Amino acid sequence: AQRVTQPEKLLSVFKGAPVELKCNYSYSGSPELFWYVQYSRQRLQLLLRHISRESIKGFTADLNKGETSFHLKKPFAQEEDSAMYYCARKGGSEKLVFGKGTKLTVNP
Amino acid sequence: EPEVTQTPSHQVTQMGQEVILRCVPISNHLYFYWYRQILGQKVEFLVSFYNNEISEKSEIFDDQFSVERPDGSNFTLKIRSTKLEDSAMYFCASNGAWGAGNTIYFGEGSWLTVV
Repeated sequence: AQRVTQPEKLLSVFKGAPVELKCNYSYSGSPELFWYVQYSRQRLQLLLRHISRESIKGFTADLNKGETSFHLKKPFAQEEDSAMYYCARKGGSEKLVFGKGTKLTVNP
Repeated sequence: EPEVTQTPSHQVTQMGQEVILRCVPISNHLYFYWYRQILGQKVEFLVSFYNNEISEKSEIFDDQFSVERPDGSNFTLKIRSTKLEDSAMYFCASNGAWGAGNTIYFGEGSWLTVV
């Protein structure tokens, strides 16, 4: 079964500190990996996908096939980054399989 | 930027009642989805819909659930006889094309409370 694991339910950092939100996936062919963000009371929004290798709002994520990981990183966290972050994958079909999410709190 | 819109934002219903959740996908999109998130749990896939038929469904999507695209713009999820465990946030989503590199856009969700 396709699985996405986000081991941290909660992550708290101070403003300006680096942040890394962990995501591991079960190996299955060539998965397509995503990070979605959900700010308070708002919709799920696509933040990043591995296929485009872009940086959005200072966040980056690199697919590591050896470690089956797709960790989300930002060198200097901002208060407005506080949100729920969901790692998700597609693989073999168009449905997304989500991790349980990590709630990031950036303290002033 | 175009958005997926959902109504109602919150509905309270009695157990056993029928509920219809409505969604207006992004206008030129062709693939439609419903996901749900029980409080404190992960977002789970329910069903995908393309060309007026279900293309994939999860084991959650049993005979109590149905989807419809009645008029070319709305995409609805019907729960025939609600149970307490159907209480969740239901997200509609749409996608313009199949395959790698395409983005699935989500609505703001409909929070269903079954009492």
